[in-house]
Amino acid sequence: QVQLVQSGAEVKKPGASVKVSCKTSGYTFTTYYMHWVRQAPGQGLEWMGIVNPSGGSTTYAQKFQGRVTMTRDTSTRSVYMELSSLTSEDTAVYYCARAGVMVYASFEYWGQGTRVTVSS
Amino acid sequence: DIQMTQSPSSLSASVGDRVTITCRASQGIYNYLAWYQQKPGDVPKLLIYAASTLQSGVPSRFSGSGSGTDFTLTISSLQPEDVATYYCQKYNSAPYTFGLGTKLEIK
Repeated sequence: QVQLVQSGAEVKKPGASVKVSCKTSGYTFTTYYMHWVRQAPGQGLEWMGIVNPSGGSTTYAQKFQGRVTMTRDTSTRSVYMELSSLTSEDTAVYYCARAGVMVYASFEYWGQGTRVTVSS
Repeated sequence: DIQMTQSPSSLSASVGDRVTITCRASQGIYNYLAWYQQKPGDVPKLLIYAASTLQSGVPSRFSGSGSGTDFTLTISSLQPEDVATYYCQKYNSAPYTFGLGTKLEIK
């Protein structure tokens, strides 16, 4: 069965960076696009970007341009999201989500979420 | 960017009621519209994709309709386990924007 298992909770100081991992199993890793979505406490879902696990190409939400990097490692079937220059507004749960074989597809599977807390 | 507007933002209904949530896109998105359910403390779950296609395993009391700019999620007979926040999402192009959500409660 498809599984997306994310890394554990993080506490970071303002100005630091965080890197969240998402390890996949149960399907052909390079076939399906992966997204990152975050959810601040008590708030809605916010799309951050997409990575093509096959070639590694990415598209980021304009809000995060210059501050986010999404990568993948085909050998470990994992995708990564690194966010830099953290502020308290980056405190959120970060999800990886697997979409379809087409770039424009809904998000069928989600990781369990990684809580990132930014606090001095 | 295309904006996704959901209404209402919150809703209280009785068990057995028919519930309707709407989602409007600021520009046409064909049928590239998904609905997600997020129960308190849980991960979002895909309910409907392509505006009206029920995801496998989702109860048939859920249905979706619409195309272009106006979409609807309907629960034909509300059940206690449907208490959740519901989000629409466009996926015809980046950014894959979500609506702000509709919080559904039992009266």
